[in-house]
Amino acid sequence: NAGVTQTPKFQVLKTGQSMTLQCAQDMNHNSMYWYRQDPGMGLRLIYYSASEGTTDKGEVPNGYNVSRLNKREFSLRLESAAPSQTSVYFCASTGQGNEQFFGPGTRLTVL
Amino acid sequence: ILNVEQSPQSLHVQEGDSTNFTCSFPSSNFYALHWYRWETAKSPEALFVMTLNGDEKKKGRISATLNTKEGYSYLYIKGSQPEDSATYLCAFRGGNTGKLIFGQGTTLQVKP
Repeated sequence: NAGVTQTPKFQVLKTGQSMTLQCAQDMNHNSMYWYRQDPGMGLRLIYYSASEGTTDKGEVPNGYNVSRLNKREFSLRLESAAPSQTSVYFCASTGQGNEQFFGPGTRLTVL
Repeated sequence: ILNVEQSPQSLHVQEGDSTNFTCSFPSSNFYALHWYRWETAKSPEALFVMTLNGDEKKKGRISATLNTKEGYSYLYIKGSQPEDSATYLCAFRGGNTGKLIFGQGTTLQVKP
């Protein structure tokens, strides 16, 4: 099992550019999450998906959209990137034991 | 807005010392309390998921207790080792939403 995978690992964007962060899990988990991690702020939930076809806003959803394409994949889209979105993004999924399994993270810089 | 607070923010101990840190969370609408260990340049790894008041969990030299009525959990590390150096995160899950609210973490540095 690969667990939770994310692509890309690193990305540099210019202000106004768009991009999609990809996440996939092979553990047959229903729930998937997107977090951002900023210095001094801990992990903050952007969006989450309790099951295929459903999504819900987290603490900091502004500037982002998500798609739960199928049970395995949950993507995060920045339509018009801003410097405030410079961060490390983590995808996670939750199984029946309630543990969250995290991907390796995507380090995004917006210039 | 639900607040999850962790203290201290950082901690430096000598190898062999025992240490503990605190996670405070809302005492109402409790569902679960999670502890994670997060090493630099890696992803958070689950340590414990605690659901019952009075729960005590143990994994090797690390243990945790839970008091849902007063809204706190303690994480203990016995005989700290340099490889225990990491940030320890707690996360509160309320109701049955599936959403976790993370504290800011306690960063532990163990000196050889």
